[in-house]
Amino acid sequence: QSVLTQPPSVSGAPGQRVTISCTGGNSNIGAGYDVHWYQQIPGAVPRFLIYGNTNRPSGVPDRFSASKSATSASLAISGLQAEDEADYYCQSYDNSLSGFFVFGTGTTVTVL
Amino acid sequence: QVQLQESGPGLVKPSETLSLTCTVSADSISGYFWSWIRQSPGKGLEWIGYIYYSGSTNYNPSLKSRVTISVDTSKNQFSLKVKSVTPADTAVYYCARAIGAAANYRYFDYWGQGTLVTVSS
Repeated sequence: QSVLTQPPSVSGAPGQRVTISCTGGNSNIGAGYDVHWYQQIPGAVPRFLIYGNTNRPSGVPDRFSASKSATSASLAISGLQAEDEADYYCQSYDNSLSGFFVFGTGTTVTVL
Repeated sequence: QVQLQESGPGLVKPSETLSLTCTVSADSISGYFWSWIRQSPGKGLEWIGYIYYSGSTNYNPSLKSRVTISVDTSKNQFSLKVKSVTPADTAVYYCARAIGAAANYRYFDYWGQGTLVTVSS
């Protein structure tokens, strides 16, 4: 039911840079609503990684960065580390129907 | 820092009602929005709904007909009920705090540990 589409998986060697896309539409990202990102290490609780399109909360390494444009957003991980192996989800707001929050389909990052 | 803890039965029979409670500690429930989010085994995250401490609610349209979220500020708790459950409702259920000045800015900053609810006879 998700209206935010992410690639199922991305991979990279340690030290490399990977990016994860989050594609929405005119009722969510394209309407100007903020995009946020979450990291979920296998077996753990999701934790918020990026809020308000580009902002990192304290404690999140600056290897993580994000951007937003038109109807999509992206998360970049530079200097990939083994501990970055996790599932990543984008989240936004959708104004269709009565308005609701929506998560992306999720992307698994594998460190080779 | 804020802590959230889900509680409730781990096994519910098909057609019955799933009931969970989230207890908030180290902060007041007042002034914030509180959400339920679920994750089916091996699947992604699905927002169920939220409640403001005053009692106003908003639900995922796909679940709205079966879901009720309520709040008890005196106990610093909020609760979830999902009626007429089927095996498709089997999931880890998380409670979370939603923060942000308006709905279009909101994100989930604190999460509970999650509780697995299995729907099976």
